[in-house]
Amino acid sequence: DTAVSQTPKYLVTQMGNDKSIKCEQNLGHDTMYWYKQDSKKFLKIMFSYNNKELIINETVPNRFSPKSPDKAHLNLHINSLELGDSAVYFCASSQGDRGKTGYTFGSGTRLTVV
Amino acid sequence: TQLLEQSPQFLSIQEGENLTVYCNSSSVFSSLQWYRQEPGEGPVLLVTVVTGGEVKKLKRLTFQFGDARKDSSLHITAAQPGDTGLYLCAGAPRQAGTALIFGKGTTLSVSS
Repeated sequence: DTAVSQTPKYLVTQMGNDKSIKCEQNLGHDTMYWYKQDSKKFLKIMFSYNNKELIINETVPNRFSPKSPDKAHLNLHINSLELGDSAVYFCASSQGDRGKTGYTFGSGTRLTVV
Repeated sequence: TQLLEQSPQFLSIQEGENLTVYCNSSSVFSSLQWYRQEPGEGPVLLVTVVTGGEVKKLKRLTFQFGDARKDSSLHITAAQPGDTGLYLCAGAPRQAGTALIFGKGTTLSVSS
């Protein structure tokens, strides 16, 4: 029943490792997003895909690479993890005019780099 | 760069009190949205306001969009412990192909 599901919920890893976070939505939405929420709860856009096409790519280190195999999935791969990457990463989706319909968020992935 | 300033950052009140949270910007947005986030969960959409001057009510919550579509407010009447959470405003830029811009949030704590 979950509309936007992310896995894993928690991820603890060492500096220098490579990790992936997966996101799937069953709402039939055409646009998906990755946001990063820092320790002060600020949500910042990282990437957005519309029907598998990258439409937003904010100033994010090249170590972050999104992949959208189809419009229901958006994964995030992170290479050479750094301490500063520790945060909660949220996947979200929307349909049509996001200004009117809003986003549906997943429950987040808490990434801790040690 | 469009920014949304949200205030206050923290609010701690007693059950039954009223409160208002503000969201301000120097930019015009096509719409303003309010979300509520609980610990360990993602933000959940409460309301969208689209027209300048629009007022929407959701039980004890009243949302208003400024006439110039640059600011919004959330007013809660007779707050209850169940209202505790992080409230986020988000603006939709007029430019197509852009994502929602979020304010930094207001952490509300209502004690009984």
